[in-house]
Amino acid sequence: GEDVEQSLFLSVREGDSSVINCTYTDSSSTYLYWYKQEPGAGLQLLTYIFSNMDMKQDQRLTVLLNKKDKHLSLRIADTQTGDSAIYFCAESRPGGGADGLTFGKGTHLIIQP
Amino acid sequence: GAVVSQHPSRVICKSGTSVKIECRSLDFQATTMFWYRQFPKKSLMLMATSNEGSKATYEQGVEKDKFLINHASLTLSTLTVTSAHPEDSSFYICSALLLNTEAFFGQGTRLTVV
Repeated sequence: GEDVEQSLFLSVREGDSSVINCTYTDSSSTYLYWYKQEPGAGLQLLTYIFSNMDMKQDQRLTVLLNKKDKHLSLRIADTQTGDSAIYFCAESRPGGGADGLTFGKGTHLIIQP
Repeated sequence: GAVVSQHPSRVICKSGTSVKIECRSLDFQATTMFWYRQFPKKSLMLMATSNEGSKATYEQGVEKDKFLINHASLTLSTLTVTSAHPEDSSFYICSALLLNTEAFFGQGTRLTVV
């Protein structure tokens, strides 16, 4: 099965908070990442968290890491139409950043007016 | 932030021909670049790790003779799909590693083999 799993779709109302969840399997991952892919564009790094952290906040984005359960979440406060995209969770491979990343399938965030 | 430029963004080629995709880090040097392939409704799959001045490291199941990678300088890696076939049609994305920590991605290349 996939090493990194996430739901394929999430639908939220504009102005509400979006919470995108991800589970991973490699407990030795040093970094965990969230990337955003807008239609026709490449991947944009939103944020990343070191594995020894529980939480990281950056403006409207909050990342929570439960290392025991190997669970990562991305919360987007006050979701806007511009947040509509595919969000990829990724974990660093065993060798760290120089060994590439393992991605989930991506969660399509759909914003309802 | 750092910028990675990937070219072309779209390419259509005939079956049996070769296609070269370029990945450039515009404002930083990257000793390590990665090539990913994105399948419909599937996650990004790492194809190979490109190291400047040395041979690329390919993931299991990726044919190195079909997907030629050249990382001749600290700002450029190329992926050549040789003797392309329709099953090679896909979205290819490169990334360049900044300071061994943060990966910046190109815009991706949509390859269609007809």
